[in-house]
Parts: sequence; C-alpha cells; structure tokens
Amino acid sequence: DQQVKQNSPSLSVQEGRISILNCDYTNSMFDYFLWYKKYPAEGPTFLISISSIKDKNEDGRFTVFLNKSAKHLSLHIVPSQPGDSAVYFCAASAPTGNQFYFGTGTSLTVIP
Amino acid sequence: NAGVMQNPRHLVRRRGQEARLRCSPMKGHSHVYWYRQLPEEGLKFMVYLQKENIIDESGMPKERFSAEFPKEGPSILRIQQVVRGDSAAYFCASSPRQGMGEKLFFGSGTQLSVL
Repeated sequence: DQQVKQNSPSLSVQEGRISILNCDYTNSMFDYFLWYKKYPAEGPTFLISISSIKDKNEDGRFTVFLNKSAKHLSLHIVPSQPGDSAVYFCAASAPTGNQFYFGTGTSLTVIP
Repeated sequence: NAGVMQNPRHLVRRRGQEARLRCSPMKGHSHVYWYRQLPEEGLKFMVYLQKENIIDESGMPKERFSAEFPKEGPSILRIQQVVRGDSAAYFCASSPRQGMGEKLFFGSGTQLSVL
C-alpha cells in the first residue's frame, strides 16, 4: 500500500523556468512532510519540509505548498537550474509513527 | 563533521551467502533507520533502531533479515542466505531524536548485487 504517491516518474523543464513536482498522500494522520533530492550513486539529501499547521514554506528558490483537504503537496523550483537535475522524493510522517513514508520519486531534468 | 557513513558501497554476493551492511550514524545521532530501494521503486522502510533497541521492524521481511545497533560500533543490517530478489540499494539514515520536525540524514547507500 503506497501511502505517498508521486504519479509523474519524470519531468523536463527549460533552464530558468518553473519546475513543479507533485505528491499525493492517503493517510490523513500525516502531519509532517519533506522533500529530498537524490543524485545517482548518492543518498537522498534533505531539501525542504512543511508541517500541517502551515500551507506554504519557502527557502530560496524552493517552495513547498500543502493542501490538506486534497491531501496534496507540491514543490516549486524557480528558476530551475541544470544542477537541479536529480530525482526528487516526497516523504511524510505521522505523529504516532516511527517511520517516514516515501514516494517513488520524480526524475527532474533541467535543460540548459 | 562526518555524515552518515555506510560501507561497503558495493557488495556482490552469490545466492545463499550472507550480506552484512554497516552504518555509522552522524555524531550525536542515536536513531538509525534502514531503507531499501528496489529498481524503479521508492524508498521502503525496513527498521528503526535506537542504541541497543529495535523500536520498529515492521518493514523487515520475516525471515533472513536482522538488524542491530549495539552500544558500541555501527548499526548492522544482516541478510542471510541471500536471493536474487534481495538485490537493491540499502540506505541508512540517522537523526538526533524522533518526533515532529526531525529529518533524516542519509548515507550514500550500499548497492547489493546477488548473482
């Protein structure tokens, strides 16, 4: 049972434009969400997070939006840069749980 | 300040052999998580440990897999009698504590290949 879903396996964007990566979840108990970035042959690295008490969190070029009623979050990268090309995973956790649930990832390619 | 260290980076085993994957968490981190990534899939939780205790092993296969995090030394993920389906990337992550607002710091992973 995939509780966190990333329905787009890949995304291509021109350099300088906006990248929008989407994530849906099914468990209404999730209250903390994170985005990780992963390069080939490396471990995932933390990018940005948001708690359920907020609907937006911004860090430089990266903004995460949370729509609790739709159980949907998105990561916006603007402007996109070639170095942003990587696989992006969203993850979620519940207050009573011991684990983070990860999506299957979206491979972003930023075209120079 | 060293990050999460995993070794080996690559491990090749023949069917029926044992695989031992090691993970040293970041300094000051006492919580360790193991995740597995199968080809074309996301990261699947396996086990969560604190020093000398297994807190949640709900993601571990019932047989052949075990994990430990001793008082001294790295966390070990052990796979006995490996099969081809065990071929995957195994990632270890650590955090200083568990709870809202905490994030996981991942190692570079061990790529296990079973021949």
